[in-house]
Amino acid sequence: QSVLTQPPSASGTPGQRVTISCSGSSSNIGSNYVYWYQQLPGTAPKLLIYRNNQRPSGVPDRFSGSKSGTSASLAISGLRSEDEADYYCAAWDDSLSGFVVFGGGTKLTVL
Amino acid sequence: QVQLQESGPGLVKPSETLSLTCTVSGGSISSYYWSWIRQPPGKGLEWIGYIYYSGSTNYNPSLKSRVTISVDTSKNQFSLKLSSVTAADTAVYYCARDQITMVQGVIQYYMDVWGKGTTVTVSS
Repeated sequence: QSVLTQPPSASGTPGQRVTISCSGSSSNIGSNYVYWYQQLPGTAPKLLIYRNNQRPSGVPDRFSGSKSGTSASLAISGLRSEDEADYYCAAWDDSLSGFVVFGGGTKLTVL
Repeated sequence: QVQLQESGPGLVKPSETLSLTCTVSGGSISSYYWSWIRQPPGKGLEWIGYIYYSGSTNYNPSLKSRVTISVDTSKNQFSLKLSSVTAADTAVYYCARDQITMVQGVIQYYMDVWGKGTTVTVSS
């Protein structure tokens, strides 16, 4: 049972725009930044979005992030076959002494 | 650029202690936070905890009673020990470099460099 809630799956055809949601609470998304990680099959996760909507160097601008209240979204426009991967949201949670929480992950299929 | 490599036994018996080491190359372990994350087969990511190069730590509350993370700056390594393991601890274990700062009064925390991961199976 993950602290952050994501849909288990999403899909789209090449060229489409897809969004993946991430829902949390006031102690995590509501008061801290959201991060998104992309995990290609058989590989380690890779940072995709930091501080809600910032892209690390090398990440295409087809990927964008947003946050509102206790929810966040990852949008992928101009979908490509190589975007097929698992996507995880993450945030710092202020409860107890503070710790990192992840979403359960969303498997994106490019049809 | 900085690279991380996990190492340790791939098989651990139930009730024993899982021990892994992460070796940092291409950069110094100093001045950074370092974390362990795991991923059970077919499941999502779980943060285990972090350590600062000075030795201060913070652990996931759900694992805190069984976890110890330590650092050896002379070897540019940090390590994970997880005691009293069960089959539920079977997972791919990743080490990562953390970026932790305060931005506009809010904690910014993310992992920017990851190791390739190592599979640990708990079985007799």
